[in-house]
Amino acid sequence: NAGVTQTPKFQVLKTGQSMTLQCAQDMNHEYMSWYRQDPGMGLRLIHYSVGAGITDQGEVPNGYNVSRSTTEDFPLRLLSAAPSQTSVYFCATGGQGPDTQYFGPGTRLTVL
Amino acid sequence: GENVEQHPSTLSVQEGDSAVIKCTYSDSASNYFPWYKQELGKRPQLIIDIRSNVGEKKDQRIAVTLNKTAKHFSLHITETQPEDSAVYFCAASGGGNKLVFGAGTILRVKS
Repeated sequence: NAGVTQTPKFQVLKTGQSMTLQCAQDMNHEYMSWYRQDPGMGLRLIHYSVGAGITDQGEVPNGYNVSRSTTEDFPLRLLSAAPSQTSVYFCATGGQGPDTQYFGPGTRLTVL
Repeated sequence: GENVEQHPSTLSVQEGDSAVIKCTYSDSASNYFPWYKQELGKRPQLIIDIRSNVGEKKDQRIAVTLNKTAKHFSLHITETQPEDSAVYFCAASGGGNKLVFGAGTILRVKS
């Protein structure tokens, strides 16, 4: 039982490049979400999903896309990376709604 | 939407003393209030949570209180130990499916 996994752990991109951050869970949770963490700003919600086939925007969705084709996976796509997207990204899952979320280990992204 | 403010941003206490972190929220529909602890370089981990139908909850040295009328909730850590040093985040979830976090409090326990 791996819980919530994220890949990669570290990534360096150049401005304009695209990439996908992977998130997978084996907890059979319906709710999944993506946060970014920047110094002094806490965790800000990017996108979330309440179940397969359903996604919605959080506080800071611009520049990011998500899809939820299965219960287990919730990838986050950066369409054209910008230096402002340098951050630590956390995926989280929950049983019902945003209650009691379990976080993945995070991906540290640097955009040059 | 929901807005959560957290104070103080940093807190230093002597080992054995108590620490209190306070959060206020704006959305009266919020009904779930978790607290997360994050050690350096690690993921946030839930340490305690409270729902709107409860005024206080305790778990060993940690307690959370909720004042729905004033729309604020607090984390209390008693008999602090060096391993309590970390960043603590409060959060609030409203009637929707979004969990909104405070900016965090850096707690330093001096031995």
